[in-house]
Amino acid sequence: QSVLTQPPSASGTPGQRVTMSCSGGSSNIGSNTVNWYQQLPGTAPKLLISNSNQRPSGVPDRFSGSKSGTSASLAISGLQSEDEADYYCAAWDDSLNGVVFGGGTKLTVL
Amino acid sequence: EVQLVESGGGLVQPGGSLRLSCAASGFTFTSYAMTWVRQAPGKGLEWVSALGPTGGTTYYADSVKGRFTISRDNSKNTLFLQMNSLRPEDTAVYYCARNRGYGYGYDYWGQGTLVSVSS
Repeated sequence: QSVLTQPPSASGTPGQRVTMSCSGGSSNIGSNTVNWYQQLPGTAPKLLISNSNQRPSGVPDRFSGSKSGTSASLAISGLQSEDEADYYCAAWDDSLNGVVFGGGTKLTVL
Repeated sequence: EVQLVESGGGLVQPGGSLRLSCAASGFTFTSYAMTWVRQAPGKGLEWVSALGPTGGTTYYADSVKGRFTISRDNSKNTLFLQMNSLRPEDTAVYYCARNRGYGYGYDYWGQGTLVSVSS
């Protein structure tokens, strides 16, 4: 049972816009920034969104992040087949004194 | 080019020990906090431990506290994870990652090293 809650799956067709959620609490998302990671099959995770809504250099602007209260979301516009991957949210938790990850959302491009 | 290369994984019996290493290159190692994240087969990511740039500040997940020790040798640009009293549930791919800055996430990851705990 992950501290941050993500839907296990999401799907969309090429060109579509999809969003995925990440729900937490006052000790993590409510008081700290959220980071999002993309993990393609068989590879190490890649930082996709930093500080809740910033894209690291090289990340396409099709990816965007937002945070409100104790929840965060990742949006992908202009969905492409290569976006098929697992997506994880993460945040520092002040009560646990460590980083907590969501359980991950598996994105399928139909 | 930033590179992180883990080593030291393998098969170990329950109760045994392993020491993982992460060799860093391509950046000023002493300027960054570092972390270990693991992923059990077919499962999600789990944060394990983190260490400040000088090695003076350490953090551990409750699941490994008292059994794992994170450390670094800044003269050799290497991060370590000493794992003792290993359990079958510690079986996972262990990744080292560079902390981009407080709240900014992990911007570079190694390829991972597999630790299998089984009799």
